[in-house]
Amino acid sequence: GAVVSQHPSWVICKSGTSVKIECRSLDFQATTMFWYRQFPKQSLMLMATSNEGSKATYEQGVEKDKFLINHASLTLSTLTVTSAHPEDSSFYICSASTSGRVMKTQYFGPGTRLLVL
Amino acid sequence: AQSVTQPDIHITVSEGASLELRCNYSYGATPYLFWYVQSPGQGLQLLLKYFSGDTLVQGIKGFEAEFKRSQSSFNLRKPSVHWSDAAEYFCAVGAGGGATNKLIFGTGTLLAVQP
Repeated sequence: GAVVSQHPSWVICKSGTSVKIECRSLDFQATTMFWYRQFPKQSLMLMATSNEGSKATYEQGVEKDKFLINHASLTLSTLTVTSAHPEDSSFYICSASTSGRVMKTQYFGPGTRLLVL
Repeated sequence: AQSVTQPDIHITVSEGASLELRCNYSYGATPYLFWYVQSPGQGLQLLLKYFSGDTLVQGIKGFEAEFKRSQSSFNLRKPSVHWSDAAEYFCAVGAGGGATNKLIFGTGTLLAVQP
């Protein structure tokens, strides 16, 4: 159980285009989804937290107009990298969890590798 | 502020040898602690977690971790390493709880296993 998928697994795009990445929880309802970015040989940096039906909460330094997050249903969140540039090339990973007063475990997707030319 | 330190960036062990990966955390309240493993080009897989109760936690793939409050540590152990254990290991602390459920990750320890 607790499977999270991401699509696409990798994408190459031209500078200036927009790219959408999907994150789905396959066998549970994810009230909260998280988007991370990981640079080569580095740890995961949280970009934003999204709760179903509400606006995402972005971490300091993350441009909300650049990285659009939509969490329209309990099983799907999308990250759109708008007007992508080479510096946006990275490994993007989502995670999903249920929510509540007590800490919930995050389950991670397999990641999406983005290369902007 | 909450933080996680993994002092060892890279560790090499021989197959069949025991393994201990270190993790120290800084958190004001009772922490929620996690160990994840990441194979190259993949997402993260949960190995084990500590929320409360028994301080020795058993996980998947033969891993265990011990929460030591006095040392602010949550070290990961395995008695006998297999070649398939070669991967990057991340320790994380849950910060915020409730509505936020944020995770703060350490910088990771890359494990190499030699024959």
